[in-house]
Amino acid sequence: EDQVTQSPEALRLQEGESSSLNCSYTVSGLRGLFWYRQDPGKGPEFLFTLYSAGEEKEKERLKATLTKKESFLHITAPKPEDSATYLCAVHTGGGNKLTFGTGTQLKVEL
Amino acid sequence: GAVVSQHPSRVICKSGTSVKIECRSLDFQATTMFWYRQFPKQSLMLMATSNEGSKATYEQGVEKDKFLINHASLTLSTLTVTSAHPEDSSFYICSAHLLAANTGELFFGEGSRLTVL
Repeated sequence: EDQVTQSPEALRLQEGESSSLNCSYTVSGLRGLFWYRQDPGKGPEFLFTLYSAGEEKEKERLKATLTKKESFLHITAPKPEDSATYLCAVHTGGGNKLTFGTGTQLKVEL
Repeated sequence: GAVVSQHPSRVICKSGTSVKIECRSLDFQATTMFWYRQFPKQSLMLMATSNEGSKATYEQGVEKDKFLINHASLTLSTLTVTSAHPEDSSFYICSAHLLAANTGELFFGEGSRLTVL
């Protein structure tokens, strides 16, 4: 059974304090790993897709990396508006079903 | 970019009534849509896969008679919570992917908050 574990569950940073969120996975046949951002009371907002180990993608202050066992979402010099829950999900097997991790709740303070 | 819209965003109903939630793909066609349920501070749990023109596929433990899914067109899927009870109160989110794009990349709706009194 596919498993996705995110850590830490919650993270509090000062504005400008860079850090990384972790997504570890145990799956058979990874077809893609996805990062989403979710604000309270909203649906997830797509951030990145990573397909193979060694791949990296960047968007503003966010950078996602992928290895054969885990993915990291690096946040450089975060701002309060980066506060949200960050979800990772894996796509395996046939079809388009995703398995989600439980998320990391990030709070960036002034 | 692609947009998925849900309606209503919030609904409050009495116990025993049925509630319908709509999920629309606004600028693309979707043969498959997914319905998720999310409890406070928990992740998304897939409930069912909605297939246009055929029966939905439900995940283990999800009552198909309780959560009726209809995918009548390439742009609309509906989830009906029948005879709702307080334990059905939750945040329901739908998602869809681009037709023929078997990449797993999904676009999510804004979610629907259901409160059953």
